Amino acid sequence: DAGVTQSPTHLIKTRGQQVTLRCSPKSGHDTVSWYQQALGQGPQFIFQYYEEEERQRGNFPDRFSGHQFPNYSSELNVNALLLGDSALYLCASSLGLAEYSYNEQFFGPGTRLTVL
Amino acid sequence: AQTVTQSQPEMSVQEAETVTLSCTYDTSESDYYLFWYKQPPSRQMILVIRQEAYKQQNATENRFSVNFQKAAKSFSLKISDSQLGDAAMYFCAYRRGGATNKLIFGTGTLLAVQP
Repeated sequence: DAGVTQSPTHLIKTRGQQVTLRCSPKSGHDTVSWYQQALGQGPQFIFQYYEEEERQRGNFPDRFSGHQFPNYSSELNVNALLLGDSALYLCASSLGLAEYSYNEQFFGPGTRLTVL
Repeated sequence: AQTVTQSQPEMSVQEAETVTLSCTYDTSESDYYLFWYKQPPSRQMILVIRQEAYKQQNATENRFSVNFQKAAKSFSLKISDSQLGDAAMYFCAYRRGGATNKLIFGTGTLLAVQP
């Protein structure tokens, strides 16, 4: 049973460029959340996708956008990259939105983005 | 807004000894969950233990247990019989109840285990 996978592992971009990060959820999961983890910090919630729609968003500018595909995989796009976007980007998957019960989130290994 | 605070940037423990990591949180919600995650150098975040706010009994998972003090908004993690493989960054996290997966993390505690 494959866990959450992310690609690429590492990425180097320059300021102003655009980047796309990819995530495949754990088998059977339909909900994907993205987090940004700056060096020495805890992860910060970017947004969450369920049924191909953005359901909840953290305090991130519109330069951060995403997409979820019918197979539940997801992409995170960042436009007009800034030096401050350098971070580890984590994807987490779960089953449903768990309105009435707990659903565990499983994290991927992350994509390390460096902006020069 | 909910916040999670970890006041211990680094901790160290001898192998086979016990260590306690501290976490405090702030929320006005009554329905929420608290978690401890472990992030080893491989970067993959792993769930260690969770606690539902409505449960009075402290959660336990093998060598890991929590001390959940709801009134004090405190949620500490105790690791017994520490092993070299326990060395990692530990994050305390909060999630409110309802239809959300949004986790709010603390800044983490780096745990070193000395042989």
